[in-house]
Amino acid sequence: DGGITQSPKYLFRKEGQNVTLSCEQNLNHDAMYWYRQDPGQGLRLIYYSQIVNDFQKGDIAEGYSVSREKKESFPLTVTSAQKNPTAFYLCASSMAPVSSYNEQFFGPGTRLTVL
Amino acid sequence: EDKVVQSPLSLVVHEGDTVTLNCSYEVTNFRSLLWYKQEKKAPTFLFMLTSSGIEKKSGRLSSILDKKELFSILNITATQTGDSAIYLCAVGYNNDMRFGAGTRLTVKP
Repeated sequence: DGGITQSPKYLFRKEGQNVTLSCEQNLNHDAMYWYRQDPGQGLRLIYYSQIVNDFQKGDIAEGYSVSREKKESFPLTVTSAQKNPTAFYLCASSMAPVSSYNEQFFGPGTRLTVL
Repeated sequence: EDKVVQSPLSLVVHEGDTVTLNCSYEVTNFRSLLWYKQEKKAPTFLFMLTSSGIEKKSGRLSSILDKKELFSILNITATQTGDSAIYLCAVGYNNDMRFGAGTRLTVKP
């Protein structure tokens, strides 16, 4: 089945630790995105990538890093520099190029809690 | 500053009621407006609107865009408990997309 997967579903981290969230898609989409969702707020864009080996900062990139070595994969690292990392993280993909006309397909999300 | 505002933020209705959710926006170079439904985790796509005045319909859900007044509405008729979800509006402009905060709809039996 075609789709987009994220792992793990739940993640707990101690303060000061880096943690990497996985996102994989087999939809053959070129564009991939990472969003953060907090209660009462809409999805906020962290990073997006239009093509392998290229990515751009979104609205709230500070404290996060990404890589795009393969078309199918777009992992997100939450670093210790992120001051308030507890949130629900959603990964999405869409047909390329990144466009306002392409619907995005979302993964099931990862809930990160910093202890 | 570009923004997308949804209202109401929260809504509680009973089965069979009709609801109207609103999404207004202020962006430069508007391109599209999308509605998503988010139940437990991943948002799922409902509609994409690019032209004013043309209603998109899917079962009991329908949506329309007004590019002059800069808003869209999502209507749900004869609501069911399965319609309970967060409904997200997203506006595409230039090569960006901005999401509203969402409307949390609760449908009681």
